[in-house]
Amino acid sequence: AQSVTQPDIHITVSEGASLELRCNYSYGATPYLFWYVQSPGQGLQLLLKYFSGDTLVQGIKGFEAEFKRSQSSFNLRKPSVHWSDAAEYFCAVGSNNDMRFGAGTRLTVKP
Amino acid sequence: DTGVSQDPRHKITKRGQNVTFRCDPISEHNRLYWYRQTLGQGPEFLTYFQNEAQLEKSRLLSDRFSAERPKGSFSTLEIQRTEQGDSAMYLCASRGGVGNEKLFFGSGTQLSVL
Repeated sequence: AQSVTQPDIHITVSEGASLELRCNYSYGATPYLFWYVQSPGQGLQLLLKYFSGDTLVQGIKGFEAEFKRSQSSFNLRKPSVHWSDAAEYFCAVGSNNDMRFGAGTRLTVKP
Repeated sequence: DTGVSQDPRHKITKRGQNVTFRCDPISEHNRLYWYRQTLGQGPEFLTYFQNEAQLEKSRLLSDRFSAERPKGSFSTLEIQRTEQGDSAMYLCASRGGVGNEKLFFGSGTQLSVL
């Protein structure tokens, strides 16, 4: 069965520090992989996506993610976090028909 | 491209009442999804349409929930005999044809069951 696991419910980092949010998945084949961000009261915004090819993908707002097939992971990274990055982050996996989301990781940014 | 529209934005109802939500996807998108999201959780898959055909429905969805997409354009989600546990944000999303995999979300309908 398809599943998406985000092991960290809540992460706090200092502004300017680096960030890594974890995502592991279970899927029958190599899925499409996505990261979305949701600010309070706002809709879901796509940060980046992986379909095939280069396993390191660049997204908006300085985010990147790396697909590691051997680890069934698609971790999100940012070298230097800004206060405006505080939000809820969701990893999603899917296929042509399917799209499932993880439970999310809430990011708090300390001044 | 006017985006995915959902109506209403908010719905307050009494337990036991029926409610219906509408979603208008991006016009050329043939794939449409309904999700439910509660506070602190990720979007939970409810059902999926390709054109007018409902291809998948979550096993977590009770018989009180039904969705339609009669002409392959807009979709409706109906909840009969609402319960307090149905209170959540109901999100609609759409995607274009195969190869165009980005999922576009609407702003959602916030349901409160009193």
